[in-house]
Amino acid sequence: GAVVSQHPSRVICKSGTSVKIECRSLDFQATTMFWYRQFPKQSLMLMATSNEGSKATYEQGVEKDKFLINHASLTLSTLTVTSAHPEDSSFYICSARDSGLTNEKLFFGSGTQLSVL
Amino acid sequence: SQKIEQNSEALNIQEGKTATLTCNYTNYSPAYLQWYRQDPGRGPVFLLLIRENEKEKRKERLKVTFDTTLKQSLFHITASQPADSATYLCALPPLSGGYNKLIFGAGTRLAVHP
Repeated sequence: GAVVSQHPSRVICKSGTSVKIECRSLDFQATTMFWYRQFPKQSLMLMATSNEGSKATYEQGVEKDKFLINHASLTLSTLTVTSAHPEDSSFYICSARDSGLTNEKLFFGSGTQLSVL
Repeated sequence: SQKIEQNSEALNIQEGKTATLTCNYTNYSPAYLQWYRQDPGRGPVFLLLIRENEKEKRKERLKVTFDTTLKQSLFHITASQPADSATYLCALPPLSGGYNKLIFGAGTRLAVHP
């Protein structure tokens, strides 16, 4: 089946630094990828839709200058958390839909646990 | 506004029994509904999709129903096994549009005991 690879799986950083998370579709092309955030025992919250070759679209309340998204190719999207603060500590998960298929299911990466000290 | 409700209480059942999880939604009529499984510290994994014109869908030991009048989906796991222990999430396309997007419920944690 389709595989989405997400790196790193865990990152610990100091407050004020920037962290980049990569999301790759390994065996399919994805014109659209999605970034979610999940706090402990809570639902996945959609942050933004990453569109290949164009600007990402952000959900209401998500700061686009804080969470920079780049989708430079059909298989790679990156999320950069800029000037991270402890409140940004969370589980970030990317997902993608196979552009070659007509169904609506999403394939998810394994997630990145971000801890900001 | 759109609301997706899943039972936040964990469901504890004995191995071999049928687990039934509920997903209720309000304020709109989605074209489809999906169920995912999430293990701790991992991303969700797709299980089943059911469309608004389908009443029931099956896949091996899994069965999903979709009642658009009640605005409810039921997710059943028959002959449950300890390996089925996980959090199960229902997901729908958003009310606000964006057909490709998915909005998730908070999930219900299932624990199957030997």
